[in-house]
Amino acid sequence: NAGVTQTPKFQVLKTGQSMTLQCAQDMNHNSMYWYRQDPGMGLRLIYYSASEGTTDKGEVPNGYNVSRLNKREFSLRLESAAPSQTSVYFCASQPLAGSTDTQYFGPGTRLTVL
Amino acid sequence: LAKTTQPISMDSYEGQEVNITCSHNNIATNDYITWYQQFPSQGPRFIIQGYKTKVTNEVASLFIPADRKSSTLSLPRVSLSDTAVYYCLVGDRRYGNKLVFGAGTILRVKS
Repeated sequence: NAGVTQTPKFQVLKTGQSMTLQCAQDMNHNSMYWYRQDPGMGLRLIYYSASEGTTDKGEVPNGYNVSRLNKREFSLRLESAAPSQTSVYFCASQPLAGSTDTQYFGPGTRLTVL
Repeated sequence: LAKTTQPISMDSYEGQEVNITCSHNNIATNDYITWYQQFPSQGPRFIIQGYKTKVTNEVASLFIPADRKSSTLSLPRVSLSDTAVYYCLVGDRRYGNKLVFGAGTILRVKS
């Protein structure tokens, strides 16, 4: 099993450009999450999907949209990138939503917006 | 409001036992306490989880007092490879009981 995979690993955008970050998991997990991590900071929750067909806002959703394409895939879209969105983005999956289940993280996508 | 409070950083030497304490005064009855570890340029990795008293696995021990308002992660005989950021989390009801990461504790292990 590959676990949680993310593409791309690195990306440089110009202000105003759009892009989609892809995330897939092969563990048959119900819940998936998108976090961002700024230098020297902890992770902040952007959006999450408790189950296929549902999405909800997290702590910092402004400037982002998400799509839970199917049970395996959860994408994050930046419609008009801004320098403030320069960060490392992590996707995670969890068997069931709730604090008793471990979250499994992908390797991250490093995004720079110029 | 911060859900958990941890020291910003700690230093230790190889072979020592390291204890990182986390404060969670507003923990809810159904919340579990979970610790994650993050190495540079990697996603966080689950270490240990508990509800009360003591939990031990092959990596660490977790001590939780009866009032559950704090917890202590204990790493026995650390090595250089244990240098990482350690996060203490409890379920956050603001987001449907999802985990919320704080800034974590930077542990530096020296030789």
